[in-house]
Amino acid sequence: DSGVTQTPKHLITATGQRVTLRCSPRSGDLSVYWYQQSLDQGLQFLIQYYNGEERAKGNILERFSAQQFPDLHSELNLSSLELGDSALYFCASSGLAGGEGNEQFFGPGTRLTVL
Amino acid sequence: GQSLEQPSEVTAVEGAIVQINCTYQTSGFYGLSWYQQHDGGAPTFLSYNALDGLEETGRFSSFLSRSDSYGYLLLQELQMKDSASYFCAVRDGDSGTYKYIFGTGTRLKVLA
Repeated sequence: DSGVTQTPKHLITATGQRVTLRCSPRSGDLSVYWYQQSLDQGLQFLIQYYNGEERAKGNILERFSAQQFPDLHSELNLSSLELGDSALYFCASSGLAGGEGNEQFFGPGTRLTVL
Repeated sequence: GQSLEQPSEVTAVEGAIVQINCTYQTSGFYGLSWYQQHDGGAPTFLSYNALDGLEETGRFSSFLSRSDSYGYLLLQELQMKDSASYFCAVRDGDSGTYKYIFGTGTRLKVLA
């Protein structure tokens, strides 16, 4: 158990819908990262927040947005869902702002299925 | 562009030693990380190399050569539980704009 929690575990929805994935980092960790993992794309970095502010951005679609709240939990919002958005979404946390070797602790993931 | 290359699959027997290579191409390099992921599970951190050389952690070791843009993960005394996917990862870019890049992963199969 990494100490990172994600809800829900599974989510099934229809194309065109909007969903929100939630992540609570390990106690004391200030950075939260979001990743998308699909069979044909591997693990793709989406975005990082540090202490409430956006810190780094990957290949996150405009239909996707995220935020980190004062209590440090984070939400990833996915809108206008398409079939190709079906994937496993991981949240990770770490205690540091940058990536200089800091270990990222991954949550169990949310499996999103878009029908 | 930025990329990390790893073999897609490696097979070895219990008790053996296996090496998983990773070559990278990045615009700004801050070190190479390795993660393990079992089927259906989340990635877990194994090691990190910022400087050239070998880092050892129990049965696992990781090596980096910055001049060759190359690293590897060495797994010794293989056990069945080591069957998993292994990813190398880097932070690419400078302090102002960066992102994390993961390799496509190497699936390790350990045979009895």
